[in-house]
Amino acid sequence: GAVVSQHPSRVICKSGTSVKIECRSLDFQATTMFWYRQFPKQSLMLMATSNEGSKATYEQGVEKDKFLINHASLTLSTLTVTSAHPEDSSFYICSAGKGATNEKLFFGSGTQLSVL
Amino acid sequence: SQKIEQNSEALNIQEGKTATLTCNYTNYSPAYLQWYRQDPGRGPVFLLLIRENEKEKRKERLKVTFDTTLKQSLFHITASQPADSATYLCAPGDSGNTPLVFGKGTRLSVIA
Repeated sequence: GAVVSQHPSRVICKSGTSVKIECRSLDFQATTMFWYRQFPKQSLMLMATSNEGSKATYEQGVEKDKFLINHASLTLSTLTVTSAHPEDSSFYICSAGKGATNEKLFFGSGTQLSVL
Repeated sequence: SQKIEQNSEALNIQEGKTATLTCNYTNYSPAYLQWYRQDPGRGPVFLLLIRENEKEKRKERLKVTFDTTLKQSLFHITASQPADSATYLCAPGDSGNTPLVFGKGTRLSVIA
């Protein structure tokens, strides 16, 4: 099966700092990756679609200047939470599909962000 | 707007019984529907995909049905085990690149 690696798994930071989360597809190329956010006991909420070599597509209500996404290669997408605040504390998860569709997505293990 | 409802937030069953989870959707005509398992603090793991022209799909102790008339999918785990305890998410999808939208999930607890 395909493997998506996400790093770090947990980060605690002070309010106002920026945090970068990496998502790598280890054994396949991912033209498209998806970033989700999940609050406790809630569903996965899609934040943005990351496209290799082009700008990310953000969902309504997600601030693109706050959540910077870079997809510079076919195996790496990064999400940077800029000037993090306590309300940004959440579980962030990336995913990628092997084909051109969204069938059988492979997810990273998630990053628990806690902003103090 | 699209709406996905999973029957209950939590479901408790006795070990050995069959667990049945429900996923209903509205304002949507998906080409397929996927089920994922998520353990606490982890990313979801793909389990099964069923297409609109398929009535039923099986994988080991798992069975999924898809009724496009009722706009519903049922997910069954037979001979359930405590290790099956997790949150199960459904996600209808289309044939294009539209990002998946997930239901809130049903938290299954299998009691020994």
